[in-house]
Parts: sequence; structure tokens; C-alpha cells
Amino acid sequence: DTGVSQNPRHKITKRGQNVTFRCDPISEHNRLYWYRQTLGQGPEFLTYFQNEAQLEKSRLLSDRFSAERPKGSFSTLEIQRTEQGDSAMYLCASSLGPGENTGELFFGEGSRLTVL
Amino acid sequence: QKEVEQNSGPLSVPEGAIASLNCTYSDRGSQSFFWYRQYSGKSPELIMFIYSNGDKEDGRFTAQLNKASQYVSLLIRDSQPSDSATYLCAALNRDDKIIFGKGTRLHILP
Repeated sequence: DTGVSQNPRHKITKRGQNVTFRCDPISEHNRLYWYRQTLGQGPEFLTYFQNEAQLEKSRLLSDRFSAERPKGSFSTLEIQRTEQGDSAMYLCASSLGPGENTGELFFGEGSRLTVL
Repeated sequence: QKEVEQNSGPLSVPEGAIASLNCTYSDRGSQSFFWYRQYSGKSPELIMFIYSNGDKEDGRFTAQLNKASQYVSLLIRDSQPSDSATYLCAALNRDDKIIFGKGTRLHILP
């Protein structure tokens, strides 16, 4: 296994369009996280999964954002009716968990979204 | 108040000196703490984690945790130019989520 994989790496879209990002975690990892990062800021928590169960979605996240992890393997993050403020790097990370090593996150290379 | 707070820097340290990075957290239910390094344009990578009060050493890196003061720090000895990066402090909070600070930019001066 080569690590966490994210696709696409870059996405340019027009305001109002829908976009979907995919994350393939390390195969034995139960936990999967989505974060958003803008320039000069740390990763901002969006949502996370334990296997196929979505444990929490950030209160800061609008209803335009939805994530799934069918069968507890890959995950998708969809943003509907994109806005310019959605422009950011979307990071996926996975970890063994729950337990002590929950916080040992392995990140993908990210999906950069630009909304024009 | 943000859950995890860091000084954004930049922190400039001469090559060979000790770099000291600090972090505070607000959730007393947080039990585990992590330092990630992020190079410009790259994703974060884990460099240290600490669960218990006191110091934990790994090569040139030492993490320190004081739960009473809700304070975490990272010391980098014999700083090298390759240590120039943003250092992210993270906490596993009581809700079992990993929350990151905004990061401290470290610049090692040759």
C-alpha cells in the first residue's frame, strides 16, 4: 500500500457547479478524516468516519457539503453549488483507530479547489 | 477561543541553535498531542506525539507536555535549514477528533 491517495489533485470550477473529491485511505485504517486548509492556516476539521459511519460533521460546514464512506473503504466529499469561499486545499487523512494511535494521521497530497 | 493555539511566527533561528515551538489547548479532556511538520505546498507529516506529562525525546526533537498548564512544546536541537517549515500542533480532544492549530512558521537561518 502506497499511502493515502486523493483525486483529483487540482480542480478548477465555476461558481455554482458541483465538485466531488475522492480519497482512498491506507487499507487497514479505520478512521478517515477530511480537513480544509487555506493559506496560512492549519487544517480545519470538516468531518470524520469510523469505518462507514460518519461520526461528526463540523458545525461550520454548510449543507452544501456532504461526505460518504460506503463500505468503509474510499470516501467522497461533495460540494454543491460551489462558492468562491470554498477555494482551498481539501486534505484527507486516515489512521488506525480508535485508540492511542488515532491521532497518527497519514495525509494524502490533497485536492486543491479553485472556484472562479 | 480556538481549541489549539499557536503563534503563527515566523520564528527565525540560526542554524545549529535550538528552536522552541509552543502550543496551548483549551479542552482539558484532550489526552494526546501531536506535532506535524508541513513543508510549503506539501501535506502535513507526523514528527512527534506525546500522551504523558513530561518530556519525550526522539533524535533532535523533544516534545514536552504540561497538562496542568494545558501547554505543549516542541524543541528542535541543532536546527538545520531542512527544518524550515510550518509546525502544526494538534490535539485529540474529548470528542475523539484531531484538532489542529494554525501552525508556526519556522525559518532556520544558514
